[in-house]
Amino acid sequence: NADVMQNPRHLVRRRGQEARLRCSPMKGHSHVYWYRQLPEEGLKFMVYLQKENIIDESGMPKERFSAEFPKEGPSILRIQQVVRGDSAAYFCASSPPRANTEAFFGQGTRLTVV
Amino acid sequence: AQTVTQSQPEMSVQEAETVTLSCTYDTSESDYYLFWYKQPPSRQMILVIRQEAYKQQNATENRFSVNFQKAAKSFSLKISDSQLGDAAMYFCAYRSSPNNDMRFGAGTRLTVKP
Repeated sequence: NADVMQNPRHLVRRRGQEARLRCSPMKGHSHVYWYRQLPEEGLKFMVYLQKENIIDESGMPKERFSAEFPKEGPSILRIQQVVRGDSAAYFCASSPPRANTEAFFGQGTRLTVV
Repeated sequence: AQTVTQSQPEMSVQEAETVTLSCTYDTSESDYYLFWYKQPPSRQMILVIRQEAYKQQNATENRFSVNFQKAAKSFSLKISDSQLGDAAMYFCAYRSSPNNDMRFGAGTRLTVKP
C-alpha cells in the first residue's frame, strides 16, 4: 500500500557508516512494525512500536540497531557501523490499534553495504 | 511469544490446478487473527485473505480459501484454478488481540507452471 511511505527506496552505505531508514505510517495508524528480509528468504520480525514506545524489540540485534517512533514524525530504524551482513530489504508496516485489521506495508528500503 | 511456521519453502502447481499452502502457529491466546499475504517480484506485500479465530466458517476470497483448524492451530491456504500471476512468495501471519503483535512465517515460494 503506497500510503505507508518508506524512504529511501535504495540506500548504499560503506562499512562503518550509519544507515537511517524512515517509515511514515498510514494516517491514523499508531502501530509500526519493522521486518528484515534477506534475499530469497522470509520476513524476520525486528521491532514493534507504538507512538513513543517500543513494545517488542525481541527480533532486533542488541548492538548497533535502534528504532524509534516519536510523537511527531516518521518511525526511524537506525543501524550504526553497518557491516556487509546488514545488506537486506527492510520493510515497515503500520496498522491501527484494532487487531482485526491487517498490517499495511511500505515498499521497503533495500540497504546495500559495500 | 507466538510463532508461525510454514513448513514448505517451495511449492509448484500447474496452471489451472489447485494448490494448498500450509501454516501452523503456536499461541496460548483464544482471540486472534490470521492472514495470508502475497509478495510478488515487485516486493509489495499484498493481503490475500484474513480469518478471525472466533469464526468457525472458513474465509473465502474468490479463488482463495482457507482451511482453519483452531484446535490443531492450522491455517492453510488453498488456491484454486491457479494462474501465472499467482506466482509469488506467500506469508502466513498471526496477530494477537490483547497486544496486537504481528508475526509472520518464513514464507512459501509458489511457482506456477504454464
